[in-house]
Amino acid sequence: GENVEQHPSTLSVQEGDSAVIKCTYSDSASNYFPWYKQELGKRPQLIIDIRSNVGEKKDQRIAVTLNKTAKHFSLHITETQPEDSAVYFCAASRGGGSNYKLTFGKGTLLTVNP
Amino acid sequence: DAGITQSPRYKITETGRQVTLMCHQTWSHSYMFWYRQDLGHGLRLIYYSAAADITDKGEVPDGYVVSRSKTENFPLTLESATRSQTSVYFCASNFPEAFFGQGTRLTVV
Repeated sequence: GENVEQHPSTLSVQEGDSAVIKCTYSDSASNYFPWYKQELGKRPQLIIDIRSNVGEKKDQRIAVTLNKTAKHFSLHITETQPEDSAVYFCAASRGGGSNYKLTFGKGTLLTVNP
Repeated sequence: DAGITQSPRYKITETGRQVTLMCHQTWSHSYMFWYRQDLGHGLRLIYYSAAADITDKGEVPDGYVVSRSKTENFPLTLESATRSQTSVYFCASNFPEAFFGQGTRLTVV
């Protein structure tokens, strides 16, 4: 089955700096890669996703890049703010058919210091 | 209210007892999922369902039972609770863009 590795497990940055979280996946058939943000005590919420036919996607201060050949994808947050502090999860999926589940990485605790 | 809701939000139970966690969604999503979240393990899939009466085992199904007689409900039952099942449980619906419930914190003593 799919295996998703996520690094680093913790990341501390100064406000205004950029943050990068990286994930690798094992199943070459995976074609959907979402990122979830989970604030303390809250539910995970989808913040951005990318499909395998796209190499990069941006939404304001966040962006995701995908390298299908290397089977890795990354989340980039620019101009970090204290409210970006949370646990971030990457996930991968084949996106349909008989395989309709998401496999998550173990998460990255991002701390943005004022 | 529209959305996905879990109940109860908090539960303390004793070892060996049966406990059921409820999940209800109002979007009529076909797909529903149960995850458990533990420190150092992230979100691990317990069971999932593509439609009413269709369920599949996930990564960590042992000790859990699910049913899905109606599209909107997906209860998770711990048949005989163990301390290792102390966790935060999240229900989610829709695929591939999953929407999560607010979670149930379960403590088995």
